[in-house]
Amino acid sequence: NAGVTQTPKFQVLKTGQSMTLQCAQDMNHNSMYWYRQDPGMGLRLIYYSASEGTTDKGEVPNGYNVSRLNKREFSLRLESAAPSQTSVYFCASRGLAGGLTGTDTQYFGPGTRLTVL
Amino acid sequence: AQSVTQLDSHVSVSEGTPVLLRCNYSSSYSPSLFWYVQHPNKGLQLLLKYTSAATLVKGINGFEAEFKKSETSFHLTKPSAHMSDAAEYFCVVSGGGGSQGNLIFGKGTKLSVKP
Repeated sequence: NAGVTQTPKFQVLKTGQSMTLQCAQDMNHNSMYWYRQDPGMGLRLIYYSASEGTTDKGEVPNGYNVSRLNKREFSLRLESAAPSQTSVYFCASRGLAGGLTGTDTQYFGPGTRLTVL
Repeated sequence: AQSVTQLDSHVSVSEGTPVLLRCNYSSSYSPSLFWYVQHPNKGLQLLLKYTSAATLVKGINGFEAEFKKSETSFHLTKPSAHMSDAAEYFCVVSGGGGSQGNLIFGKGTKLSVKP
């Protein structure tokens, strides 16, 4: 049981290049999320997918697109990378944990460290 | 709308002394609250979560947090710091109200532990 996996772990791009960050979860969760983490900013939500076939914008969606390929996989695409997109990107999935009151929990992947030159 | 404020960006303690990381929240709904920990160059790990079942929540590695509705606080404590506790800690509130469980993160508190 790997949980949430992300590839690649590190990436360096030049301005204007494109790339796709991959995320997969094996916990049979319906909801998946993409966040970016910048120093002193905490994590900010880019996009999320409440279920297979649906996606919605989060707090900072500009410059990104997403695809919920199936229940397991949720990818994040940068069409034309900019230096402002230098960040650490985290994928998460959400499932019920400890189920007494239905409070659910997000489980995070290890992150992708992206540098745009 | 929900929001969370971590009152200290950096806390430094000596090994063996108590830890207090402060968090205040704002929520229009009965909130779900979490503390996550991030060790250097690692992902985020859930420390503990608040459900309405109990106001004092025990988590992993000896941490606990108390939900105080009257003070809108959810401070994280540990009686005795260990060197391995050095990390960044995030207080988090769940969006609730149909937001698909979206999490709203505080800006983090970096905990340093001196020998």
